[in-house]
Amino acid sequence: EIVMTQSPATLSVSPGERATLSCRASQSVSSNLAWYQQKPGQAPRLLIYGASTRATGIPARFSGSGSGTEFTLTISSLQSEDFAVYYCQQYNNWPLAALTFGGGTKVEIK
Amino acid sequence: EVQLVESGGGLVQPGRSLRLSCAASGFTFDDYAMHWVRQAPGKGLEWVSGISWNSGSIGYADSVKGRFTISRDNAKNSLYLQMNSLRAEDTALYYCAKDTAPYGTWFDPWGQGTLVTVSS
Repeated sequence: EIVMTQSPATLSVSPGERATLSCRASQSVSSNLAWYQQKPGQAPRLLIYGASTRATGIPARFSGSGSGTEFTLTISSLQSEDFAVYYCQQYNNWPLAALTFGGGTKVEIK
Repeated sequence: EVQLVESGGGLVQPGRSLRLSCAASGFTFDDYAMHWVRQAPGKGLEWVSGISWNSGSIGYADSVKGRFTISRDNAKNSLYLQMNSLRAEDTALYYCAKDTAPYGTWFDPWGQGTLVTVSS
């Protein structure tokens, strides 16, 4: 199983500042990586797929980068609605390999 | 509009069984793989199982392998999860999620979930 590790677990950021979230895979997943946002009491929402492609309707302040084992989600200028938990997920070589999520990064108001 | 509506959750004793259902609408169901993802209270997301568009490819997390069975009925636009030998650690909100391809990739969108509580 490919293990996804996210860091930090919690990120304290002021509105308007930049947030940088990291996701590391235990082995290469190429660009087969997605990012999700989850707010309290809500289902997760797709933000990014293919490591860097924004999903429909996702603001340009969200960007993804990386390939292989190291990935980054950047929120360029945090808005109040961006405070949430963010998860990465790899989808490399299913069904031979299980799909797996990272443990999540909570972005909180500083 | 894509809609995914889960049902079948509830309180069940350890060792017993439960069957979850997901009713899908607003898209061509048999064009896409489908998945179950769970979230224990206060915890992160865990992929549970996925099934390709034609049921030809199926995968499970190690934590449920041999106990859970995923299936789909394309004629009824429905996804199922048969959960046997339930354990306390299976307690979670279970989400149904649509894939974006016929085989396993990423999930978009997700249903609102159905809560499964395993307790005596």
